[in-house]
Amino acid sequence: KAGVTQTPRYLIKTRGQQVTLSCSPISGHRSVSWYQQTPGQGLQFLFEYFSETQRNKGNFPGRFSGRQFSNSRSEMNVSTLELGDSALYLCASSLGGTGLTNTEAFFGQGTRLTVV
Amino acid sequence: GNSVTQMEGPVTLSEEAFLTINCTYTATGYPSLFWYVQYPGEGLQLLLKATKADDKGSNKGFEATYRKETTSFHLEKGSVQVSDSAVYFCVPDTGRRALTFGSGTRLQVQP
Repeated sequence: KAGVTQTPRYLIKTRGQQVTLSCSPISGHRSVSWYQQTPGQGLQFLFEYFSETQRNKGNFPGRFSGRQFSNSRSEMNVSTLELGDSALYLCASSLGGTGLTNTEAFFGQGTRLTVV
Repeated sequence: GNSVTQMEGPVTLSEEAFLTINCTYTATGYPSLFWYVQYPGEGLQLLLKATKADDKGSNKGFEATYRKETTSFHLEKGSVQVSDSAVYFCVPDTGRRALTFGSGTRLQVQP
């Protein structure tokens, strides 16, 4: 079956702009999580969605937001971009059903965002 | 909360050498433990997992045993290949539906 698909793979934006990244999870997976990876901070959790509801949120400013659609596809948005937002943004999908904690997470290849 | 201590890299080995990447954890109870791998320019892949004490996870020649007496989950491979060059992350289940990654261990295998 198809894996986790993230689009676009690469993106260049200017400071102050906003950006929307997309993630299509594995069919049947209802949980989608987002992570930011930078050389300085490593991999950091942004948020997790399940059945269109945000269940968990990391320690990021409100400029970072996300949503999930009824087909489990998810988008994350970053507004008023800063140079420090340049990073690899990774999406992970899992079954994530009620009562489970971490089930096996499958990652996409990521979107590399460069802010200039 | 749950956390891991993972050996710092880079670890540089010759092809066919034996690999050990140490990982110890501190946790309340016995969380599930994962090893993830990130190949250059790629996203993350689950390499192996163990969901309870004394479980052994294995995949692609890699093994790790969840040892509660030493609170360890060391990653081993008997004979590494150049294609194993990557960053390896030991990751505990935090129970928050969010994976907490450390800095990882970079492995460089030379031909």
